[in-house]
Amino acid sequence: KAGVTQTPRYLIKTRGQQVTLSCSPISGHRSVSWYQQTPGQGLQFLFEYFSETQRNKGNFPGRFSGRQFSNSRSEMNVSTLELGDSALYLCASSSGTGVTYEQYFGPGTRLTVT
Amino acid sequence: GQSLEQPSEVTAVEGAIVQINCTYQTSGFYGLSWYQQHDGGAPTFLSYNALDGLEETGRFSSFLSRSDSYGYLLLQELQMKDSASYFCAASGSARQLTFGSGTQLTVLP
Repeated sequence: KAGVTQTPRYLIKTRGQQVTLSCSPISGHRSVSWYQQTPGQGLQFLFEYFSETQRNKGNFPGRFSGRQFSNSRSEMNVSTLELGDSALYLCASSSGTGVTYEQYFGPGTRLTVT
Repeated sequence: GQSLEQPSEVTAVEGAIVQINCTYQTSGFYGLSWYQQHDGGAPTFLSYNALDGLEETGRFSSFLSRSDSYGYLLLQELQMKDSASYFCAASGSARQLTFGSGTQLTVLP
């Protein structure tokens, strides 16, 4: 099976702009979670989508949003970018049923806001 | 909510054994997972403990004590390639993983 893919891999944006990141999960996986990773902060949970519905949400401002399509592909959007949004954004897929303990991560999108 | 605490850094020499501890405070706790992340790479799943006790997978073992809200990852016969960040993550009733802030393991020759 193909792994989780994320596009683009690298992105440079200016403060105030918006950005859309894409994630294609492993075939058959219906759950996609998004995380923000910054040095020393670990993986901060953004949100999780399952069968096109947001099932869980972390403590991020409303500038961060997402959606999931019928083929389980997911996008996240960040509007009005701030310098502090510079981070590695990881998506992870899983079956979405039962207890979630094993997630498969994509390579991430490295976002730099200048 | 859930929170996990783990040391920020651990250093050991090649061939040694190292233990990375993780304590958690959580509601609706189901189990504890461990992930490895090399610099520039994606986190990869190592192990999962739902029940108390030790789970062994090759050179890596993971332990859980639900009564102490504590777990650890044990790495034996350390190799240079084990230098990476290690994250514990708690599974809860919300069907999401909550990750600790990670432990940077440095293996010295």
